[in-house]
Amino acid sequence: DVKVTQSSRYLVKRTGEKVFLECVQDMDHENMFWYRQDPGLGLRLIYFSYDVKMKEKGDIPEGYSVSREKKERFSLILESASTNQTSMYLCASSLAGGLKTQYFGPGTRLLVL
Amino acid sequence: AQSVTQLGSHVSVSEGALVLLRCNYSSSVPPYLFWYVQYPNQGLQLLLKYTSAATLVKGINGFEAEFKKSETSFHLTKPSAHMSDAAEYFCAVSKGETSYDKVIFGPGTSLSVIP
Repeated sequence: DVKVTQSSRYLVKRTGEKVFLECVQDMDHENMFWYRQDPGLGLRLIYFSYDVKMKEKGDIPEGYSVSREKKERFSLILESASTNQTSMYLCASSLAGGLKTQYFGPGTRLLVL
Repeated sequence: AQSVTQLGSHVSVSEGALVLLRCNYSSSVPPYLFWYVQYPNQGLQLLLKYTSAATLVKGINGFEAEFKKSETSFHLTKPSAHMSDAAEYFCAVSKGETSYDKVIFGPGTSLSVIP
């Protein structure tokens, strides 16, 4: 079974703090993704990575950065957290190639005060 | 540009009744379509996907969806709802053209099952 784990289920941070969200997958997947999920908006892609040290912006990259130093690990960084970044963050991974199923982690619910 | 709409942000059905969750898409190319389910406090899980092989797609847990090009729809159905079906359901579309398939998700439909 594919397993995608996220470092925290719940996180509370203060405005201006630097926040790290970690994601690890154990199936040697090439692609990894970070989404944020907000009620009524579905999932929106923040960044994705198709290989180590490679990254591409998604639909809403502003205020975020990412790091992929190892194939199994993909980190999302909020350089200076703001209240409008309070959300559920979902990590996913997939094999390379067309139409490969994305496997999701359980999510991190971030509250920025 | 591709997009997905899901009619009804919340749907309630009685246990044993038909489940119908609506999804309409827009796409400039033949689309690939997905339904994902999210149980409480969990990530998303793939229910089924349409990749042009057959218009009626069967998924896990007794769900199925039918691709209707003329209606640009991909509605999800299940003949008889179970309590365990209560969850958030997301329809999604992809072009499927590149090695990375950008997936566009709809806003989601929350399904409640009434005993």
